[in-house]
Amino acid sequence: TQLLEQSPQFLSIQEGENLTVYCNSSSVFSSLQWYRQEPGEGPVLLVTVVTGGEVKKLKRLTFQFGDARKDSSLHITAAQPGDTGLYLCAGKPGGGADGLTFGKGTHLIIQP
Amino acid sequence: EAQVTQNPRYLITVTGKKLTVTCSQNMNHEYMSWYRQDPGLGLRQIYYSMNVEVTDKGDVPEGYKVSRKEKRNFPLILESPSPNQTSLYFCASSWTSGRAKTQYFGPGTRLTVL
Repeated sequence: TQLLEQSPQFLSIQEGENLTVYCNSSSVFSSLQWYRQEPGEGPVLLVTVVTGGEVKKLKRLTFQFGDARKDSSLHITAAQPGDTGLYLCAGKPGGGADGLTFGKGTHLIIQP
Repeated sequence: EAQVTQNPRYLITVTGKKLTVTCSQNMNHEYMSWYRQDPGLGLRQIYYSMNVEVTDKGDVPEGYKVSRKEKRNFPLILESPSPNQTSLYFCASSWTSGRAKTQYFGPGTRLTVL
């Protein structure tokens, strides 16, 4: 099983600050996804990156896939309380394998 | 509305009493999957199904069974539940083609086994 390490595990910052969450592996993934999960709900997909070096923006969120497709980052600019949640990265292994490998997640709290 | 539904949402049961958690999707997805989510361990895949009558073990299949008799339904069966199966369970579905394989998750079932 390929592993995805997310850091930090917990992050609490003030509204308006910037932050970056990391997702790292020693394995190559054919694609990588970021999900956000709120209490009492299932994860909801934010973005999928498939090309090494790819950068995608979703309003104040910027996602990057590493050149070697082993890592990814999520950067939030001017964080807001509505960004609070559990952020999960999930990778699809290369070689045609099925299933997704999830990281353990980053618990993010944005304080007003 | 495109969605994945799970029932029940909450269940408290006792050790050894067989139970089934249902999952249904209305998006005509071929791929369906069950995960459990535990503090400090994240989401772990229990079983998945590539299509009707095709199922396979995920990372933590012990103590669970699944069936896929119809495309839209993928029930999770615990024949003899034990306290270590107390967890938050999610069903998910997606298309099988393409590298992206976006998964749509149900709302979760919180199971407590006493």
